[in-house]
Amino acid sequence: GNSVTQMEGPVTLSEEAFLTINCTYTATGYPSLFWYVQYPGEGLQLLLKATKADDKGSNKGFEATYRKETTSFHLEKGSVQVSDSAVYFCALNFGNEKLTFGTGTRLTIIP
Amino acid sequence: DTAVSQTPKYLVTQMGNDKSIKCEQNLGHDTMYWYKQDSKKFLKIMFSYNNKELIINETVPNRFSPKSPDKAHLNLHINSLELGDSAVYFCASSQGVIIHTEAFFGQGTRLTVV
Repeated sequence: GNSVTQMEGPVTLSEEAFLTINCTYTATGYPSLFWYVQYPGEGLQLLLKATKADDKGSNKGFEATYRKETTSFHLEKGSVQVSDSAVYFCALNFGNEKLTFGTGTRLTIIP
Repeated sequence: DTAVSQTPKYLVTQMGNDKSIKCEQNLGHDTMYWYKQDSKKFLKIMFSYNNKELIINETVPNRFSPKSPDKAHLNLHINSLELGDSAVYFCASSQGVIIHTEAFFGQGTRLTVV
């Protein structure tokens, strides 16, 4: 079946540090890939997405590139801020409307 | 304006009770979902409705029954609540059944069964 594996947290970084959250997937075929973010006390919000190989999704300084060869979609940001503290979810879907999520990675940024 | 709203935000109840969680979306979407997030933040889909028709029903106990009176609403009724039902339940919606569509989530309902 389809699955998403992302690095376990929690991850704690200092402000302005470089961030990488790893995500790899297992799927039959080529799914669409997503990063969702959940800020404290809120629902999930789409952060970025990529729909085909080599696509790069970007938003709010975050980037992720769809790598077919390594079946990966790692999330990166060059300089994190305290306001980036949240739980980040990698997800995939096909045309059956079902999002399959990873287990989430809690990120805490300290000033 | 809240795009996807769920009520209540918090729900504390005793084992064996029956409770409902309501969800409404004002985005004009025709597909709605219920997800369950456990204490470890793991998210798993429970149900999906498209135009009031059930299209995804994961392995969920029969005690859980979704109801969609119209395409803007998807309510979740839970009978005979158990301790293991304690979780955060998220409603979501998206447009159509096409691939690549973005799902919009509500703020969640934290259910605690005591």
